[in-house]
Amino acid sequence: QVQLQESGPGLVKPSQTLSLNCTVSGGSVSSGSYYWSWIRQPAGKGLEWIGRIYTSGSTNYNPSLKSRVTISVDTSENQFSLKLSSVTAADTAVYYCARVNYGGNGREIDYWGQGTLVTVSS
Amino acid sequence: DIQMTQSPSSLSASVGDRVTITCRASQSISSYLNWYQQKPGKAPNLLIYAASSLQSGVPPRFSGSGSGTDFTLTISSLQPEDFATYYCQQSYSTPRTFGQGTKVAIK
Repeated sequence: QVQLQESGPGLVKPSQTLSLNCTVSGGSVSSGSYYWSWIRQPAGKGLEWIGRIYTSGSTNYNPSLKSRVTISVDTSENQFSLKLSSVTAADTAVYYCARVNYGGNGREIDYWGQGTLVTVSS
Repeated sequence: DIQMTQSPSSLSASVGDRVTITCRASQSISSYLNWYQQKPGKAPNLLIYAASSLQSGVPPRFSGSGSGTDFTLTISSLQPEDFATYYCQQSYSTPRTFGQGTKVAIK
């Protein structure tokens, strides 16, 4: 059973960089037919796709965040990471890491982390 | 970006009711449409992928249909554990986008 677990600071000051890790267990970030994503959800609102990374290291980001986002993968630690720079209160949200199965017909998110709340405040 | 519009935004229904939620894409997305269920304080959970394929372990009272721009999620007989918020998501192009959600509440 694949499990994903987010970790990182729950409080970040404005203008600083938000950094989160996602540790994968029960599977490998190097597995074929999968890529790894970050998604966030402000309190009481909908889901926003942040970006994705393939095992190769190839990335795609949401244009609305592209200038501030970096997603990386560490195959030796079996984890992937998110960095979001120059944060403001608008970046306060629950952040989810997720696995996407692109080997079939849906390119669907089949596993999610439990989510971690990150609050941007001084 | 492809805009995903769900309707209704919320609904009230009783146990045993048939419930239908609609999702419309701003351009054709073929069958690259997924449905997720989210309960309060929890991560979303995959119900339907590729518009109509039932994810393993999901009860068969859930079904999906559609292609192109118009899609439907149907719950054939609503159960107490189905009260939740439902999201559609397009996986046709990046950035991936979600509908605004449909909250299913108890009548």
